[in-house]
Amino acid sequence: LAKTTQPISMDSYEGQEVNITCSHNNIATNDYITWYQQFPSQGPRFIIQGYKTKVTNEVASLFIPADRKSSTLSLPRVSLSDTAVYYCLVGDKTLTGGGNKLTFGTGTQLKVEL
Amino acid sequence: GAGVSQSPSNKVTEKGKDVELRCDPISGHTALYWYRQSLGQGLEFLIYFQGNSAPDKSGLPSDRFSAERTGGSVSTLTIQRTQQEDSAVYLCASSLNDPGSSPLHFGNGTRLTVT
Repeated sequence: LAKTTQPISMDSYEGQEVNITCSHNNIATNDYITWYQQFPSQGPRFIIQGYKTKVTNEVASLFIPADRKSSTLSLPRVSLSDTAVYYCLVGDKTLTGGGNKLTFGTGTQLKVEL
Repeated sequence: GAGVSQSPSNKVTEKGKDVELRCDPISGHTALYWYRQSLGQGLEFLIYFQGNSAPDKSGLPSDRFSAERTGGSVSTLTIQRTQQEDSAVYLCASSLNDPGSSPLHFGNGTRLTVT
């Protein structure tokens, strides 16, 4: 079963770049890497997804090395509103092998201060 | 368009009662998940539906928990004889295709409190 490991918490200040690394040593060949953001009292929200190398969208970048055993979410110039829990997610095949259970790890609590 | 809708948003019940939680996924999404999140904790996988395939129920914590998905759309999670340890937020998510490559869209959950 795929398993992810992330730091439990990180602190930063407004305007700084934040990098959160996730390790997933048992990632399977067909698995994508997806990151979600969760605010209190809300469901997680999709941030970015990638398979290899680098992916960038309007809110974040995702760096994936060649061996794909880890990935790094990069948030440029964070603000107070980026305070949230960030989850790294990789596939986790179902018992029938027909789909992905998508098991979430414990996530990283990012706290941004002035 | 409409996102994933869950009802009720809050539910308070007495220990021993049965509860039903409802999830309306995004139209056309073939995959549907239920997760449970206890206070300050991560998401615990409960059950996964994909199209017409048999659901993966491996995450259900006991036989008091069951779920169904009618017509490949709406899903209901039922908890029988509720216990205090069942208190948590129950989250539903759907995705368009293979959830490994299609993003999950979550509802805002049902907060269940068992007194």
